Amino acid sequence: DAKTTQPNSMESNEEEPVHLPCNHSTISGTDYIHWYRQLPSQGPEYVIHGLTSNVNNRMASLAIAEDRKSSTLILHRATLRDAAVYYCILLNSGGYQKVTFGTGTKLQVIP
Amino acid sequence: EPEVTQTPSHQVTQMGQEVILRCVPISNHLYFYWYRQILGQKVEFLVSFYNNEISEKSEIFDDQFSVERPDGSNFTLKIRSTKLEDSAMYFCASCDSGGPTDTQYFGPGTRLTVL
Repeated sequence: DAKTTQPNSMESNEEEPVHLPCNHSTISGTDYIHWYRQLPSQGPEYVIHGLTSNVNNRMASLAIAEDRKSSTLILHRATLRDAAVYYCILLNSGGYQKVTFGTGTKLQVIP
Repeated sequence: EPEVTQTPSHQVTQMGQEVILRCVPISNHLYFYWYRQILGQKVEFLVSFYNNEISEKSEIFDDQFSVERPDGSNFTLKIRSTKLEDSAMYFCASCDSGGPTDTQYFGPGTRLTVL
């Protein structure tokens, strides 16, 4: 599986935008970039995914570099509820889409 | 919004006992998964299940583990003879098509404590 690299932790002030980076320099052409997050004491939840173009949904935006070797998850206004571990994951057409979680980025939101 | 449910939320058992963890996936989903997370560690894949059979399993999923979809709605994980190291949060997940653009929905987890 192609590997992703994320910072272990980040801090943000409440109501400020947050940019969570992910490097995936060995990404293949068929790998989709997914982001999941895990709130404290909860199961992981899907945030967003993309292939080549930037994507927006109600939770976040995903900015994908032109060479696809990196991406950034953008939370436009961080709330206390966004404090979680964020995982950047690559998925391709094989393997019944099992999700391989790394250690992710622990986001702390400061009131 | 439909959700994956899991019961019980917390299970305490003695070492060597059998436990069954239960999950109700989202009703029209076809792919089912179990993951576990030992306290303070990563979420780890255990097994995927499709069309009433295991499609993939990790090396953690040894002969002590089994999965079943007994009645078309429940999806269960059985551990035959629990060990201390089986203590973890166990998450069930389901998705619709299993493809790379599909969303996997996770349940809230069952905390298993083996004494």
